[in-house]
Amino acid sequence: GQQLNQSPQSMFIQEGEDVSMNCTSSSIFNTWLWYKQDPGEGPVLLIALYKAGELTSNGRLTAQFGITRKDSFLNISASIPSDVGIYFCAGLFQGGSEKLVFGKGTKLTVNP
Amino acid sequence: IAGITQAPTSQILAAGRRMTLRCTQDMRHNAMYWYRQDLGLGLRLIHYSNTAGTTGKGEVPDGYSVSRANTDDFPLTLASAVPSQTSVYFCASSPFDTSYNEQFFGPGTRLTVL
Repeated sequence: GQQLNQSPQSMFIQEGEDVSMNCTSSSIFNTWLWYKQDPGEGPVLLIALYKAGELTSNGRLTAQFGITRKDSFLNISASIPSDVGIYFCAGLFQGGSEKLVFGKGTKLTVNP
Repeated sequence: IAGITQAPTSQILAAGRRMTLRCTQDMRHNAMYWYRQDLGLGLRLIHYSNTAGTTGKGEVPDGYSVSRANTDDFPLTLASAVPSQTSVYFCASSPFDTSYNEQFFGPGTRLTVL
């Protein structure tokens, strides 16, 4: 089945640093989504990408849909303490099962 | 606007008991989903429904059943709970059309089976 490899598994950074995480797949996806999950809460959608090569920003967050359609990255600039959480990528191949495939998450810790 | 609500927030259950987790959305989304989240395993799809009246099996459906009598509600039932079903359960919904398939998640139900 389709699988996503998300890396890194965890990151420990200082406040103010930039962060980058990525997801790769052996399958082609038509949609990439990035979610953030705070402790004790459900995942919240951050950015949705629908076109290969697309670069989309949401405040300090920037995500790109890889040109091969098999990867995506998420960058966070000038990190702040509230960026702490687990970030998940998810891919969807439309025209197939229409079900999302999730990465296992990147746990981000920001030291003030 | 509530979005997606789940009940209960948490539950401790004796093994062998029957339990229904409730999920309601007010966004008129066509599709709904149930996931379980376990440490190190990420989010795994249990069951899904692309539209009212239809359901399908996800990655880990055994021991769970669902129904979709209407657009808004998608209950998940554990007929006879076992300790391996201890997990955090998330319900999600999406519009499910050809151009817009973002999934939106509820706050989760933390279930402990003893």
